[in-house]
Amino acid sequence: DAKTTQPPSMDCAEGRAANLPCNHSTISGNEYVYWYRQIHSQGPQYIIHGLKNNETNEMASLIITEDRKSSTLILPHATLRDTAVYYCIVRVNFGNEKLTFGTGTRLTIIP
Amino acid sequence: NAGVTQTPKFQVLKTGQSMTLQCAQDMNHNSMYWYRQDPGMGLRLIYYSASEGTTDKGEVPNGYNVSRLNKREFSLRLESAAPSQTSVYFCASSGKQLLAKNIQYFGAGTRLSVL
Repeated sequence: DAKTTQPPSMDCAEGRAANLPCNHSTISGNEYVYWYRQIHSQGPQYIIHGLKNNETNEMASLIITEDRKSSTLILPHATLRDTAVYYCIVRVNFGNEKLTFGTGTRLTIIP
Repeated sequence: NAGVTQTPKFQVLKTGQSMTLQCAQDMNHNSMYWYRQDPGMGLRLIYYSASEGTTDKGEVPNGYNVSRLNKREFSLRLESAAPSQTSVYFCASSGKQLLAKNIQYFGAGTRLSVL
């Protein structure tokens, strides 16, 4: 599975869009980008995933660059409840089903 | 529909004691996982079970054993607890459909302290 690089921490004002970057320059053609988050003391929560097209769901949007070497998770209107550690994970959709969690980005939403 | 349920939520053990962490899911998922998370670190996979009757080692299996009792339940056993096993333990499950395999649903965690 490709390695990912995320900033260790970010702040965002409440009500603004939070843009969380992830670099995955060694991603291969059959690897998907997944995002999870972990709110303090809770189990991780799946947010969104994509292969090459931009994706949107009720929680967030995922923008993947054309060369697929980086992506951005967008929380359109951040609230205090979005304060969490966000993990970007890259992996294939077959064979080994294990997810590798790095240290992620600690996002703090500021009132 | 409770999702993934872990018991107990908290546990304190003395070095050398044994215990079993229980995990059950009600989503009819094939795959189940056990992770540990140490303070300030990401999750590390201990063991996983791709289907009922099968188990495989993850990144940090030493000191642990698992049992996939049936499709719903996946337990983690510490035979002789050590202080290095003080951690938060998370159980997770995922479905069979191809694109759903990497969408894992997590329990609330078990906070274990070994003195």
